[in-house]
Amino acid sequence: DAKTTQPNSMESNEEEPVHLPCNHSTISGTDYIHWYRQLPSQGPEYVIHGLTSNVNNRMASLAIAEDRKSSTLILHRATLRDAAVYYCILRRGYQKVTFGIGTKLQVIP
Amino acid sequence: GAVVSQHPSRVICKSGTSVKIECRSLDFQATTMFWYRQFPKQSLMLMATSNEGSKATYEQGVEKDKFLINHASLTLSTLTVTSAHPEDSSFYICSARVSGGPEAFFGQGTRLTVV
Repeated sequence: DAKTTQPNSMESNEEEPVHLPCNHSTISGTDYIHWYRQLPSQGPEYVIHGLTSNVNNRMASLAIAEDRKSSTLILHRATLRDAAVYYCILRRGYQKVTFGIGTKLQVIP
Repeated sequence: GAVVSQHPSRVICKSGTSVKIECRSLDFQATTMFWYRQFPKQSLMLMATSNEGSKATYEQGVEKDKFLINHASLTLSTLTVTSAHPEDSSFYICSARVSGGPEAFFGQGTRLTVV
């Protein structure tokens, strides 16, 4: 399975944008890039996914590099409720979702 | 998005007893469900893949006789931790995929404490 690399932790001030990076240099052409987040003591929550083009939804934006070897999850205005562990995952078709360590985002009031 | 419900959210049991955790897809049919375990300050570890009407597929190192999985219908999968021991204390999470969709939806998790 292609692996992803994320920083262990990041900090952001409340109401400022947050850019969460993810490297996936061994990504294959059929791998989708998925992002999930997990709030404390809860199950993971789907955030966004994409293949090649940038994607936007009500929660976040996903910017995918042209060579697809990296991507960035963008939270446009961080709130305290966005404090969570964010997981960047590569998924081929309907394969099982395998989690790495993720990035723990701390939002500072 | 689709809703996956787990029950119970929290359970305490005595060592040696068995505990059943239910995972339901509330507004969609799930032919495949996944069971994860998460220890404190660690990531989720996939335990098994549960397929409706067939035997579950377990990840390497997961004892199938200890963690019994039943996926009897398209909306319900159960995980039974048999003869539980304190080292089985963990956060158990199920996941289901909407047929035809790429997203996986997760339950809220079950905190199991074995005393």
